[in-house]
Amino acid sequence: DSGVTQTPKHLITATGQRVTLRCSPRSGDLSVYWYQQSLDQGLQFLIQYYNGEERAKGNILERFSAQQFPDLHSELNLSSLELGDSALYFCASSVDLRNSPLHFGNGTRLTVT
Amino acid sequence: QQQVKQSPQSLIVQKGGISIINCAYENTAFDYFPWYQQFPGKGPALLIAIRPDVSEKKEGRFTISFNKSAKQFSLHIMDSQPGDSATYFCAASSGAYSGAGSYQLTFGKGTKLSVIP
Repeated sequence: DSGVTQTPKHLITATGQRVTLRCSPRSGDLSVYWYQQSLDQGLQFLIQYYNGEERAKGNILERFSAQQFPDLHSELNLSSLELGDSALYFCASSVDLRNSPLHFGNGTRLTVT
Repeated sequence: QQQVKQSPQSLIVQKGGISIINCAYENTAFDYFPWYQQFPGKGPALLIAIRPDVSEKKEGRFTISFNKSAKQFSLHIMDSQPGDSATYFCAASSGAYSGAGSYQLTFGKGTKLSVIP
């Protein structure tokens, strides 16, 4: 068990809808990362927060947004969903920004129909 | 732009054999090279990592070999076991030791390893 909790485990929704994925980092970890995993693209970095502040953006669509709250949990909001957004979304956390290991949750599987 | 290229996509190895997965990178600013192991239904988990001033790092049956001049690194799994069957990802990031960089990991596309009895 990595200590990172992601909810829900599965999510099925229709195109055009909006969903929120939630992540609770390991106790003591200040940095939260979101990754998207699809079969053809592998693990794609979306966005990173550190102690409530956005620190880095990767290949995140404008329809997607995230935030990290004062209690350090994070939410990833996906709107105007398209079929191509169907993927596994992983949250990871680390103690700090540098070479500390990333600890991944077990992911949220999003299916857009 | 794929900054970390991983091969092969899939690998089948007999129990007791050696599994070898290779990665190549382009960004010379990368200074942290971890390998992650992912089982079905689970998130990736850190297996072993290396920094570029070391040519080899061994932890149990797992060894990373690093060639800075060729910009390549590889994972060797000795005495492969059926329990090693998983997807393996190499990754790289910059700034881990220099303090200047993006820090976030860039992953390879993964290698699905199957170890048959």
